[in-house]
Amino acid sequence: QSVLTQPPSVSGAPGQRVTISCTGSSSNIGAGYDVHWYQQLPGTAPKLLIYGNINRPSGVPDRFSGSKSDTSASLAITGLQAEDEADYYCQSYDNSLRGHVVFGGGTKLTVL
Amino acid sequence: EVELVQSGAEVKKPGESLKISCKVSGYSFTNHWIGWVRQMPGKGLEWMGIIYPRDSDTRYSPSFQGQVTISADKSISTAYLQWSSLKASDTAMYYCVRHATVVTPDYWGQGTLVTVSS
Repeated sequence: QSVLTQPPSVSGAPGQRVTISCTGSSSNIGAGYDVHWYQQLPGTAPKLLIYGNINRPSGVPDRFSGSKSDTSASLAITGLQAEDEADYYCQSYDNSLRGHVVFGGGTKLTVL
Repeated sequence: EVELVQSGAEVKKPGESLKISCKVSGYSFTNHWIGWVRQMPGKGLEWMGIIYPRDSDTRYSPSFQGQVTISADKSISTAYLQWSSLKASDTAMYYCVRHATVVTPDYWGQGTLVTVSS
């Protein structure tokens, strides 16, 4: 079981809006540590999608947005496109057990 | 442009040793933590540990402490991940990752597939 909990899968039709949740605890997201999101297209390495809860690296479309509240975070994708079909992972830091980077279990986004 | 180029796929037998590499370019190697992430077949991402090349300060995830060794060679801007005795359960894709901060991976290598089978 991952320290950060994500739904295994979400789906949406082209043009729709989907959200992916990431639920943590008081030792990670709830402790104030930032949440970051990665996109992994099929057969490729993950790519940083959102950093510092809400920021997009250069080149990431503004259809992708992040938010954080209390012990959870969310990734929203608007205007869904076929090329968005991928696995999405949240990531934060956990201060238990001498502290380390933690990932969510990942969410498979299917564009219908 | 930041680039992390990893060594090629490996096929090994249980009990063998292995060292895979990650050569970086496009930034100062000694100014950023660099680490490794495991992805087992069909599974999610697992953070293994990081090293700060300037002073070789190394931190491991509890799940990987004692199982692998992370090292770096400043002279050739290369990080390494090594095993002394591979197991079938080490079969996975391994990614090297540069950290923007100690807790934030940003740039990823292309991955090295390690297959351990008798």
